[in-house]
Amino acid sequence: QKEVEQNSGPLSVPEGAIASLNCTYSDRVSQSFFWYRQYSGKSPELIMSIYSNGDKEDGRFTAQLNKASQYVSLLIRDSQPSDSATYLCAVNRYITGGGNKLTFGTGTQLKVEL
Amino acid sequence: DTEVTQTPKHLVMGMTNKKSLKCEQHMGHRAMYWYKQKAKKPPELMFVYSYEKLSINESVPSRFSPECPNSSLLNLHLHALQPEDSALYLCASSQDNGPPPQHFGDGTRLSIL
Repeated sequence: QKEVEQNSGPLSVPEGAIASLNCTYSDRVSQSFFWYRQYSGKSPELIMSIYSNGDKEDGRFTAQLNKASQYVSLLIRDSQPSDSATYLCAVNRYITGGGNKLTFGTGTQLKVEL
Repeated sequence: DTEVTQTPKHLVMGMTNKKSLKCEQHMGHRAMYWYKQKAKKPPELMFVYSYEKLSINESVPSRFSPECPNSSLLNLHLHALQPEDSALYLCASSQDNGPPPQHFGDGTRLSIL
């Protein structure tokens, strides 16, 4: 079982629709969770972080976390063509001795169609 | 533009060359990271420095040698690389108290001839 799993897609949604991206993780001691957006040829850009169960909203983005089910999701409302990118789910664990270890899922490619 | 600056943006080198990748941040972060990303794959952690000390080495071959001269700088020294080492090398930084997010630089695209 992979540590962090995502559907690779592509996930195609029409402009203005809600895009729903899902992620599951295997390590129960994981403490914090992030969504990064990565455009082709660019570096990952942090768009959401979530640390406790429930929903967290920021503009058009809502992250949802369910630690009991080991499940994280990202909803993008009113999807725009500029949202077309690969979305990486990342799970963080603090390392004894200092620093944090981020483990990434393989990413979901989102295509927003006109 | 990101707050983590990486140089150079592109690097082409032969297998016998020695080169270095550089990373700089001025956010007061005390943890810095090197990742390697191959095409259509997620970033893979290579090294973690916390308070200028190496805290994680993910079994990276010795032809990659990290160095953290001070809390703002992180280097990756390269020697005798192989063609399969061609990738995007990403530097990131984070605070080291609590569950911080990591902020990535734009990366160095490395090609080994």
